[in-house]
Amino acid sequence: SYVLTQPPSVSVAPGQTARITCGGNNIGSKSVHWYQQKAGQAPVLVVYDDSDRASGIPERFSGSNFGNTATLTISRVEAGDEADYYCQVWDSSSDHPGVFGGGTKLTVL
Amino acid sequence: EVQLLESGGGLVQPGRSLRLSCVASGFTLSNYAMSWVRQAPGKGLEWVSAISGSGGDTYYADSVKGRFTISRDNSKNTLYLQMNSLRVEDTAVYYCAKVYITGTTVRFDYWGQGTLVTVSS
Repeated sequence: SYVLTQPPSVSVAPGQTARITCGGNNIGSKSVHWYQQKAGQAPVLVVYDDSDRASGIPERFSGSNFGNTATLTISRVEAGDEADYYCQVWDSSSDHPGVFGGGTKLTVL
Repeated sequence: EVQLLESGGGLVQPGRSLRLSCVASGFTLSNYAMSWVRQAPGKGLEWVSAISGSGGDTYYADSVKGRFTISRDNSKNTLYLQMNSLRVEDTAVYYCAKVYITGTTVRFDYWGQGTLVTVSS
């Protein structure tokens, strides 16, 4: 089955840029979606189809996807961005197509 | 406004069964596939199951195949997850999620608040 690999944690100071990666075999050929989950809350879609922002998501959130790595970039990081972030793909060639990465904890220093 | 409200969670002994429900509002349920995603305590998200808008197509993670059954009643705006032969490792918050399909890709554009299932003796 398809595997997505994320770093367990990323730390960044307020106002700086955070980059969260999601690795997968030829992931650039798939559409990648990103979710934000704040403590005690349900996940929220933030970026879909590699680079499109979901409704209500600030322009500071962007995404890219090339080769074996997809990246969620958060510019001008704010304290309120502290959360777990998950990448997700749909592997339509598989019997169990839903795949999430292990998640990355973003800490704002 | 899209809303998804899960119910049916609780404490259950290993080997027993439980049925989760998810009532949808703010959209026409029959027009959309739906999914269940779970999260064990302190762990990441795990996709569990999905069902097409008509209910004719279903998909399962290997970890639940043969034990869990996803279904829907569009006339009641409700999604279900029947969980049999429950194991300790099924302990998790179970989220209901609305599916959005474009081409060959699927994303989860709305989520419920989740219902906690605890499997323990």
